Amino acid sequence: GAVVSQHPSRVICKSGTSVKIECRSLDFQATTMFWYRQFPKQSLMLMATSNEGSKATYEQGVEKDKFLINHASLTLSTLTVTSAHPEDSSFYICSARDLGLGRERRSSTEAFFGQGTRLTVV
Amino acid sequence: DAKTTQPPSMDCAEGRAANLPCNHSTISGNEYVYWYRQIHSQGPQYIIHGLKNNETNEMASLIITEDRKSSTLILPHATLRDTAVYYCIVRVEGGGSARQLTFGSGTQLTVLP
Repeated sequence: GAVVSQHPSRVICKSGTSVKIECRSLDFQATTMFWYRQFPKQSLMLMATSNEGSKATYEQGVEKDKFLINHASLTLSTLTVTSAHPEDSSFYICSARDLGLGRERRSSTEAFFGQGTRLTVV
Repeated sequence: DAKTTQPPSMDCAEGRAANLPCNHSTISGNEYVYWYRQIHSQGPQYIIHGLKNNETNEMASLIITEDRKSSTLILPHATLRDTAVYYCIVRVEGGGSARQLTFGSGTQLTVLP
């Protein structure tokens, strides 16, 4: 079953509003989660690295004030797209790895991905 | 992480083996070869990974050449549900760190009925 859960799976919002996307690790703790964005017919592009208890690290060209990341617990990271515009419409995907914090890890190397969130800004 | 090169697309008949190639000629000694796939409108899914030995699991087999400059992912009996974009990724194993994956363009595999 899924070990990284992302919610919502799809959302339509009006231009100028904000949208929050949640990413949860279901049965493991993740000090680090990654947020990717994928435009149609393109590959996944890393947006930012979410660090529990500290500020996120953003990739070049990604506006940190527009894409707010909060990683308040070891199982939850949120991405908020603020003042969304139609050009923000995309498929947003989170990822985490089970590093075995506090218990035996599920797998040594694989990364788990959420189901993705299809954001449409109208 | 080393760069990888994959064909943009491939077709395969249902029930036949799908062989997806990947070139990684600049791979270094401590870099692993990973394969993920992404079915349309879903998040990527881990398939298999290896360092230098061939690997097999319930999903696929990974054949890595002796010089490690290329590899082939084999789906032994492709089904329609295997239609997806397949990504070959080369990266160092962090030994406890959670480094991000860098995705290339991948190969769109279409399994035909």
